[in-house]
Amino acid sequence: AQSVTQPDIHITVSEGASLELRCNYSYGATPYLFWYVQSPGQGLQLLLKYFSGDTLVQGIKGFEAEFKRSQSSFNLRKPSVHWSDAAEYFCAVGPEGGSQGNLIFGKGTKLSVKP
Amino acid sequence: DAGVIQSPRHEVTEMGQEVTLRCKPISGHDYLFWYRQTMMRGLELLIYFNNNVPIDDSGMPEDRFSAKMPNASFSTLKIQPSEPRDSAVYFCASRNRGVETQYFGPGTRLLVL
Repeated sequence: AQSVTQPDIHITVSEGASLELRCNYSYGATPYLFWYVQSPGQGLQLLLKYFSGDTLVQGIKGFEAEFKRSQSSFNLRKPSVHWSDAAEYFCAVGPEGGSQGNLIFGKGTKLSVKP
Repeated sequence: DAGVIQSPRHEVTEMGQEVTLRCKPISGHDYLFWYRQTMMRGLELLIYFNNNVPIDDSGMPEDRFSAKMPNASFSTLKIQPSEPRDSAVYFCASRNRGVETQYFGPGTRLLVL
């Protein structure tokens, strides 16, 4: 069955420190992969996506993610975290082809940023 | 583009009352999704439509929930009768055929007393 696992429910980092949020997926074919961010009281905003090609993708707000097929992972990274990055982050996987189906979301990782 | 629009943003109602949530997708998008988000269960897909036709409603919790999409620019999610366990944030999202990226609305925060 298709699934997405975000092992860390809650992470706290200091402002200016680097960040890596983990995402592992289980999918029968080549997946489309996404990271969304949800600020408190807001909807989900797309950070970045991977469909094909370069396995290191750049997103908005200085985030990047790397697709590693051998590890079934799509971890999100940021070299220097800002206080405004405090939010909940969701990894999602979708079917290749862009024609049907839905995204499967992980449970989310809540990021807190210490001053 | 205005993005996905949801109304109301907040709804407080009493158990047993009917609740109707509304969604206007991004113009030109073919797919519309309804999600429910709770602390316990995370983000759950309830139902999604393609060209106004329901494709997968396996996530709808029970017969108290119903969703319609009478035209390409409007969808409703109805709960009748509502129960306290329906308290959650309900999101609507839309996307284009051939583009997997879903765009989310701001959500409706529902509290059933």
